Amino acid sequence: DTAVSQTPKYLVTQMGNDKSIKCEQNLGHDTMYWYKQDSKKFLKIMFSYNNKELIINETVPNRFSPKSPDKAHLNLHINSLELGDSAVYFCASSQAGAGANVLTFGAGSRLTVL
Amino acid sequence: AQSVTQLDSHVSVSEGTPVLLRCNYSSSYSPSLFWYVQHPNKGLQLLLKYTSAATLVKGINGFEAEFKKSETSFHLTKPSAHMSDAAEYFCVVSPPNSNSGYALNFGKGTSLLVTP
Repeated sequence: DTAVSQTPKYLVTQMGNDKSIKCEQNLGHDTMYWYKQDSKKFLKIMFSYNNKELIINETVPNRFSPKSPDKAHLNLHINSLELGDSAVYFCASSQAGAGANVLTFGAGSRLTVL
Repeated sequence: AQSVTQLDSHVSVSEGTPVLLRCNYSSSYSPSLFWYVQHPNKGLQLLLKYTSAATLVKGINGFEAEFKKSETSFHLTKPSAHMSDAAEYFCVVSPPNSNSGYALNFGKGTSLLVTP
C-alpha cells in the first residue's frame, strides 16, 4: 500500500488554466506538506498543514491555494497557470512528537505548463 | 537561520569504489541533519538522520554519515558503490523543535553517477 499518494502523476496543461493536485496519506500522520522542485531539482517548501490547520505558508503566489478537508488529505489548487509553474510538486507527511521532522514523500506530480 | 551547502553538484565513481558526498551546514543551534535520496522519476526517500545522539549515523543501503561540529560538516559515505546507488542525493537541515510542522531546508543536490 502506498503511504503517500499523489494524483495525477503527470499533468500537461495550457497557460491560464486552473488545475488541482490531490494528496492522500494512510500513515496516520498529523502534518502534511507541499514542496516544489524546480528544473534544477531545488526543493522548497510551499505549505504545511497540521490537523487541517495551515501552519506554514511560504512566499507563494496567491494563485496557489492548499486545502485540507481532513488530516489525511491535502490538495493543491493552482489558478491561472503560468509557464514558471512548471515543476514537480511533492506532497509529504510527518507524525507529531518525536520524529516530526522526518518526512515521508509521495512520488511527485510533474506539472508542465505550455 | 539554518542552511546546507552541498559542495559537489555531480560525483562520478566506479562500481565497487567508495562514495563521498560532501555537505556543510550552517546553523545557530544544534541542528537535525538528514540525507535523502531521489532515484530518477521517484519521490524522496530518507537515507539517514542525525539528531545529536551518536555522531556517526548509519542509514539504509550501506550508507553512513558523520556529524563533525568542528568542521560543520555532515558528509555521506559508502564503502563500495553499487549501480543502483545512481541517484540525486540531498542534504537537509531541520529547524529546532516544533510542535507541528517543519520547513526543511534542502541543499541543491548532488547527482551520483556510478560507472561499470
